[in-house]
Amino acid sequence: DAKTTQPTSMDCAEGRAANLPCNHSTISGNEYVYWYRQIHSQGPQYIIHGLKNNETNEMASLIITEDRKSSTLILPHATLRDTAVYYCIVRAGNDYKLSFGAGTTVTVRA
Amino acid sequence: GAGVSQSPSNKVTEKGKDVELRCDPISGHTALYWYRQSLGQGLEFLIYFQGNSAPDKSGLPSDRFSAERTGGSVSTLTIQRTQQEDSAVYLCASSSQGYTEAFFGQGTRLTVV
Repeated sequence: DAKTTQPTSMDCAEGRAANLPCNHSTISGNEYVYWYRQIHSQGPQYIIHGLKNNETNEMASLIITEDRKSSTLILPHATLRDTAVYYCIVRAGNDYKLSFGAGTTVTVRA
Repeated sequence: GAGVSQSPSNKVTEKGKDVELRCDPISGHTALYWYRQSLGQGLEFLIYFQGNSAPDKSGLPSDRFSAERTGGSVSTLTIQRTQQEDSAVYLCASSSQGYTEAFFGQGTRLTVV
C-alpha cells in the first residue's frame, strides 16, 4: 500500500535542471514529504523535506502543489554525481519510521 | 562525530557463525534505526531505538536477529547462526529526535558463504 508514486527511471542532461515528480494523492494534513537519494554503494542521503510551503536548500528545491497531492524535487544544475536513486517519502509529523519505496533511478548524462 | 559511523564496512562470514555489526550515531542523536538492503532491493526497516529502548522491533526478520543500544549512543546488531539469505547491506541511521530527518551511515556489507 504505497503512499507515493514515482517514475521508475529518468534521464537528465548535465548542467540542466532535473525535475523529479512524486504523486502522494492520499497524503494527510500532518504528513510531510521527504526526499532522500542513494548513490550507488552508499547509504541514503537526506535532501529536503516540506509540509505545504515550497522549500529550498543548498542541494535542491521542493515544490508542493497547493492541494498537496503531488510534489516535484528540483536539482537546479544536475551533475554526473547526481546520478542516484531518488526516494520520495511521506511521513507523519510524529512518526519515526521512514518507509522507502522503489524510488526513481536518475541518470545524468554528459 | 561528523556523521553516522558503521563498522566493519565489509564482513564475510561462514554460514552458522554469529556476527556483530556496530553503529556509532551522530553525537546527541536520541533516535537510531537499523535497515537492511538486499541486492537490488529496497530498504527494509528492522528496528528503531529511542534512547536505549526499542519501542519498535517489528522489522527484525527472525529471533536470530537482535539489537541493543547502550548509553544512548552505540548500537550493536547481532545475527546468530547466519544464513545465506542474511547477506545484505545493513544500514544504520540516527536523528536528533524520532520524527526529524535521519542521517544514514555507509552501511556494513555482510556476505554469508
